[in-house]
Parts: sequence; structure tokens; C-alpha cells
Amino acid sequence: RKEVEQDPGPFNVPEGATVAFNCTYSNSASQSFFWYRQDCRKEPKLLMSVYSSGNEDGRFTAQLNRASQYISLLIRDSKLSDSATYLCVVNPTGGYQKVTFGTGTKLQVIP
Amino acid sequence: DADVTQTPRNRITKTGKRIMLECSQTKGHDRMYWYRQDPGLGLRLIYYSFDVKDINKGEISDGYSVSRQAQAKFSLSLESAIPNQTALYFCATSGGAQETQYFGPGTRLLVL
Repeated sequence: RKEVEQDPGPFNVPEGATVAFNCTYSNSASQSFFWYRQDCRKEPKLLMSVYSSGNEDGRFTAQLNRASQYISLLIRDSKLSDSATYLCVVNPTGGYQKVTFGTGTKLQVIP
Repeated sequence: DADVTQTPRNRITKTGKRIMLECSQTKGHDRMYWYRQDPGLGLRLIYYSFDVKDINKGEISDGYSVSRQAQAKFSLSLESAIPNQTALYFCATSGGAQETQYFGPGTRLLVL
């Protein structure tokens, strides 16, 4: 099993739609979780951290389910500018352990 | 100014040549990373460094070497470039309680 798994997509959604992505992780000791956004041929940029109680930033909501070992990202009222690849990132804290990136889920918002 | 910079931004080289990609950061982070990204694939870790005296191989270190000259500088070398090293290379740093990663703008490398 991969350390971090994501559905590669693409998810093609109309403007204004709500879309959700999931990401599963294998290391139950993982402590920090993030969603990054990557535009085509650009560097990944932090979209939001994912907190145990769930968190929201405008149209974006992130959730963590430790029992089932997955995180999710919900995007409401999709905009054309949301078209990008969304990367799930898992980071075990403590000690010299490295962060792990998922391969990303591609979102295309259609006019 | 960008917190993480990479030079060069684009490079074309020939098979067998030695090249160096450089990364500098002003974030004051101890941890630095080199990744490569190929079309349709995710980020793959080449090397990482948790402080100036600590260098670790990532999942695809063969054919690469690194040098951590200072806290702010982390260089990646291709000793003898080959065409399948053509890729987009990213440097990153991490810091803070959650070790959030911050990326440089990337170097596009083409090996002919």
C-alpha cells in the first residue's frame, strides 16, 4: 500500500458546483496533514493545514478522519480559478522523519 | 523577494555533462529538500537535509549528489547527466510546528 494515495482524476465540474477529494494514508502515527495546490508547471503552494476538528477557509473545508486514516478537501461554489492539481501531504512529527506527498488530484472547473 | 529561490530556472545540457542546481532560502529553516517531478507523476524525493551536518537519500538518489553549504544553501548535482533526468526540479524548505513545506519556483532541466 502506498504511504499516501489519491484519486488522480481528472474531476471535471461545472462552475458553482461542489466537489470533494479524499486522500488515504498508511502511517497511523502521522500527525500533520496539509492540502497543497499546484498549477500547471508551477511550484506547489500551501492551500491549508488540516486540523483534527476540521477547518474551513472560505469556500474550502478540510476534514481529518483518523479512524479510517483519510483526509478530505471540499470545495464549494467552484471557480474557474480553482482548476489545478491538489496534493495531499502527510507529515509524521517527531524525530527525523520526512513528509510524504500524494501524486495529486486534478480538478478542471468548466464554464 | 521570494523566500526560496532556485538557479537556474531553465537549463539545457548534453548527456554526460556535470551540472549543478542551486537553492537558497531566507526563511531560516534547517530542513531542506530536493524533489523531481515528471509529467503525470507526483513529486519524488531525491535528497533531504535536516540540518547542515545531516544529509539523507530520498527514494531516487541514484545519479545525484547534494551539498549543504550553509543553513540557507542546498545544491543538487548531476555528476553525469542522462536524458531520463529531464524533469522539473523543486527545492523546498520546511519549518514551524507542523513542518510546513515551502517550495522554490523550480528548475526545468532538459538533457539531450
